[in-house]
Amino acid sequence: DAKTTQPTSMDCAEGRAANLPCNHSTISGNEYVYWYRQIHSQGPQYIIHGLKNNETNEMASLIITEDRKSSTLILPHATLRDTAVYYCIVVASGGGADGLTFGKGTHLIIQP
Amino acid sequence: DTAVSQTPKYLVTQMGNDKSIKCEQNLGHDTMYWYKQDSKKFLKIMFSYNNKELIINETVPNRFSPKSPDKAHLNLHINSLELGDSAVYFCASSQGGLETQYFGPGTRLLVL
Repeated sequence: DAKTTQPTSMDCAEGRAANLPCNHSTISGNEYVYWYRQIHSQGPQYIIHGLKNNETNEMASLIITEDRKSSTLILPHATLRDTAVYYCIVVASGGGADGLTFGKGTHLIIQP
Repeated sequence: DTAVSQTPKYLVTQMGNDKSIKCEQNLGHDTMYWYKQDSKKFLKIMFSYNNKELIINETVPNRFSPKSPDKAHLNLHINSLELGDSAVYFCASSQGGLETQYFGPGTRLLVL
């Protein structure tokens, strides 16, 4: 029962902004959008999350549409080390204790 | 300082053996998890523990038994290993069941 839809793969040139879309058209009012990434042979890494407002941290920016049915993760200046699988996850507040449901994610490849 | 650590990193064993994977977190979190990532790279929750008590067990065979001696540790014991148990197992932790989870580096289990 997929709650999110992401492209299977994307390419981006090094130094450019990488924009990763996620569709979550059935999101509920109390559900957050979380982004994680998994670099090859490593554990998943938290990137950013948001509810309604756009968010920015040292790693990325998260843009959520006004109707909350989709979002975009932005890596402003992609480097080769950003090559990874990026997961968009929708989860209710406090629902993390049930574990996160990872989909297939987007395999982002940063090209030199 | 490693926030979430797992040992061993690699584990190769024969079918039918019993093995354990250890996990420790030094973040002071009260919720810990075990995830399994299979050969197709799907990452699925197995167990969730809060303050040494089991919260969730996601249809995992009872050959798998988590043990939490204290809040900082969640070990995974596997009896009668089968070929299908070959996977990467990730431990994670969070505070209060929040969705921001911190993952360990993974344990790569190969059952021959």
